[in-house]
Order: sequence, then C-alpha cells, then structure tokens
Amino acid sequence: AQSVTQPDIHITVSEGASLELRCNYSYGATPYLFWYVQSPGQGLQLLLKYFSGDTLVQGIKGFEAEFKRSQSSFNLRKPSVHWSDAAEYFCAGDNNNDMRFGAGTRLTVKP
Amino acid sequence: GAVVSQHPSWVICKSGTSVKIECRSLDFQATTMFWYRQFPKQSLMLMATSNEGSKATYEQGVEKDKFLINHASLTLSTLTVTSAHPEDSSFYICSARVAGSEQYFGPGTRLTVT
Repeated sequence: AQSVTQPDIHITVSEGASLELRCNYSYGATPYLFWYVQSPGQGLQLLLKYFSGDTLVQGIKGFEAEFKRSQSSFNLRKPSVHWSDAAEYFCAGDNNNDMRFGAGTRLTVKP
Repeated sequence: GAVVSQHPSWVICKSGTSVKIECRSLDFQATTMFWYRQFPKQSLMLMATSNEGSKATYEQGVEKDKFLINHASLTLSTLTVTSAHPEDSSFYICSARVAGSEQYFGPGTRLTVT
C-alpha cells in the first residue's frame, strides 16, 4: 500500500539551530512529494514540492528538501530555525490523484 | 493564483441537524476536488474524491449517505454532513486540482457539533 512515514512525532530545537525533519515514502513509482506547514487552527501552507529534476528543492521561509531515491526519502531542512517556525509539518506524496499524508511532526522551538 | 476558498470557516450546529460546507476554486477551473478530515493532533485523511458532474468516490469507511458531496461545477464542490453528531466534529479541508497539476488546499472549516 502507498504510504508516507514521518518517524518523528515531536522535535524540539533551539532557536538558531539547524533542523532536519524526516520523511520516507512507499509507492510503486516515485510520487510527487510535498512539505506543508500548519499552524494551530489553520490550513496547510505549501513549503516546497518535488516533481522531477534537481533533487535539492528550495522552498519558502528558508526551507529546502532533498529527494533521495535510493533511500525513498524527502527530508526537510533549515539551517537556522526561528521561533516562528514552531508548527506542525506534514510530508505528503501524490501519485495519480492518490495523495497520502504523513502523520506529521510537531516542531517546538526553544528560546 | 490557484486560490481555494471554503465557507464557512467555522460552524457550530446541534446534534441531528445538517450542515453544508462550500469549497470554491477562485481563479481556476478544477477538474477534481477532494475532501479531507483532520481530527485534533492528527494528520489529514482523505474522505472522498469528486469530478465535476460525476458521483464522488468515497474512501473505505466513509459513509456516503452521511457525507454528501456535490461537485456541481468546475469551481464549486459542497460537502453536507447529514444528521451530524458530536463525533463528526472535526476540521474539514478541501482541495482542488487541474489535471496534471498539484492539489491546492482551502483554509479549512472547523465543525463543532453540540
């Protein structure tokens, strides 16, 4: 079955520290891959997406993600976290109208 | 571009009543629209997929007689929760797409059933 896995339910980092959120996918073929951020009570905001081509994808708010086919991964990174980055992050894969979301990773930022 | 709106953003209804949620693609025509449900502190779960003029395709475990989906035009889909109960309280999010492109998500509708 097609699925997206986010192994970390909750991550805490200090403000200014680097961040990496993990995402693994299991699809028959490489899906389109996305990272979204959601603040409490709000909708989803697209951070970045990968369809094909360059495996390092730049997104908004200083985020980037790297697609690694050999590891079936699409990890999200940010070199220096800001307090405003505290939110829930969802990785998602989409293959032919079948979009699956990971369980989400809640990011807490310590001052 | 590619803006999707939902109305209302928040609704409270009494148990046993029905409530309708609208999803509109504002600046594009959507060939397919999707409805998701998100319980507190959980991920999004796809409820159904609908194409304009066709019956919606429901995911396993979603009651099609309880969650009525109408995709009347290329810019409007509605979700009606019939005979709502407190366990239907949730955050409902729609998305819309043009064939070959990504899904664009609405801001969500919070439903509280008392």
